Amino acid sequence: GENVEQHPSTLSVQEGDSAVIKCTYSDSASNYFPWYKQELGKRPQLIIDIRSNVGEKKDQRIAVTLNKTAKHFSLHITETQPEDSAVYFCAASDGTDKLIFGTGTRLQVFP
Amino acid sequence: KAGVTQTPRYLIKTRGQQVTLSCSPISGHRSVSWYQQTPGQGLQFLFEYFSETQRNKGNFPGRFSGRQFSNSRSEMNVSTLELGDSALYLCASSGQGQQETQYFGPGTRLLVL
Repeated sequence: GENVEQHPSTLSVQEGDSAVIKCTYSDSASNYFPWYKQELGKRPQLIIDIRSNVGEKKDQRIAVTLNKTAKHFSLHITETQPEDSAVYFCAASDGTDKLIFGTGTRLQVFP
Repeated sequence: KAGVTQTPRYLIKTRGQQVTLSCSPISGHRSVSWYQQTPGQGLQFLFEYFSETQRNKGNFPGRFSGRQFSNSRSEMNVSTLELGDSALYLCASSGQGQQETQYFGPGTRLLVL
């Protein structure tokens, strides 16, 4: 079955710097890769997703890149702000309606 | 539209007991998925229901079961509770399945003593 590994587990950056979180997946059939943000005490919320027919997708300060050959995808946050502090989860789905999540990255943005 | 709701929000049980958790999806959503969230383990997939049928299942023992009703509301049941079952149980709904935005509920925090 699918296995998703996520690194790093914690990430601290200064406000205004960029943050990058990386995930690798094992199932080459996976074709959908969402990213969820979970603020402390709140429910996870989708922030961006990418499908396997696209190499990169941007939404304001957030971007996701996908390398199908290497089976890895990354979340890039530019110009980080304190409100970006949260736990970020990557996930992968192979179309069999099983969404497998990574173990999460706790991002702390210091003012 | 009202968001995904889960009841109860908090639950304390003792080992050996069983528990039933409920999830009401967003109106019109037919897919409901359940996840177990524990520190360090992230979100682990339990199962997904669509139109009253279990469409997929994660790697959890048979003590974990679920069902979905005709109005798309879903329940999950854990029998013979173990200490390690203490976790936040999240459900998420979507229109058709897991390859679209999952809208999560607030979760049920289960503590097994």
